Amino acid sequence: GDSVTQMEGPVTLSEEAFLTINCTYTATGYPSLFWYVQYPGEGLQLLLKATKADDKGSNKGFEATYRKETTSFHLEKGSVQVSDSAVYFCALSGASKGRRALTFGSGTRLQVQP
Amino acid sequence: ETGVTQTPRHLVMGMTNKKSLKCEQHLGHNAMYWYKQSAKKPLELMFVYSLEERVENNSVPSRFSPECPNSSHLFLHLHTLQPEDSALYLCASSQMTSGGEETQYFGPGTRLLVL
Repeated sequence: GDSVTQMEGPVTLSEEAFLTINCTYTATGYPSLFWYVQYPGEGLQLLLKATKADDKGSNKGFEATYRKETTSFHLEKGSVQVSDSAVYFCALSGASKGRRALTFGSGTRLQVQP
Repeated sequence: ETGVTQTPRHLVMGMTNKKSLKCEQHLGHNAMYWYKQSAKKPLELMFVYSLEERVENNSVPSRFSPECPNSSHLFLHLHTLQPEDSALYLCASSQMTSGGEETQYFGPGTRLLVL
């Protein structure tokens, strides 16, 4: 079945550092790929998405490129801020579970220190 | 109200209680979902309602009972829960199309504690 693997956290960075959170996936067909962010005490918010190979999703300085050859969708940001501290989830939308439900990775906690 | 709303935001209940979680989406979507988020576990899909058809994860215990009276409202009825059911319950909605790509939008969640 479909699966998503994310790097273990927490990731601790200083403000203005470069961020990479790795995400790889296993899926049949051609899934859509997503990054969601969860701030403390809140639900998930869509951060960015990509629907086909070589697409780049971007939002709020974050970017991720859909790499079919490496089955990856790594999240990057050139300069993180304290306000970026949150848990980041990689997810894919495929045809598993009978409907197009999301399959999530386990989440990566990012802590940005001033 | 905009987006996806959930009530209550926090709930404490005993194992013999009966309670319901409510979700409402204001996005005109045709599919709604319940997810469970437990500490140190990936988000688990519990139920999907699309076009009034229910699809469920077979591992969800019968003490969780969903209800979808229309495309904008989704309930999760709870009865005789166990302490291990304590978690954040997230509702989501999407516009399901034949094309396949759908973005799900999440509510803020209900934090449930079972004593």
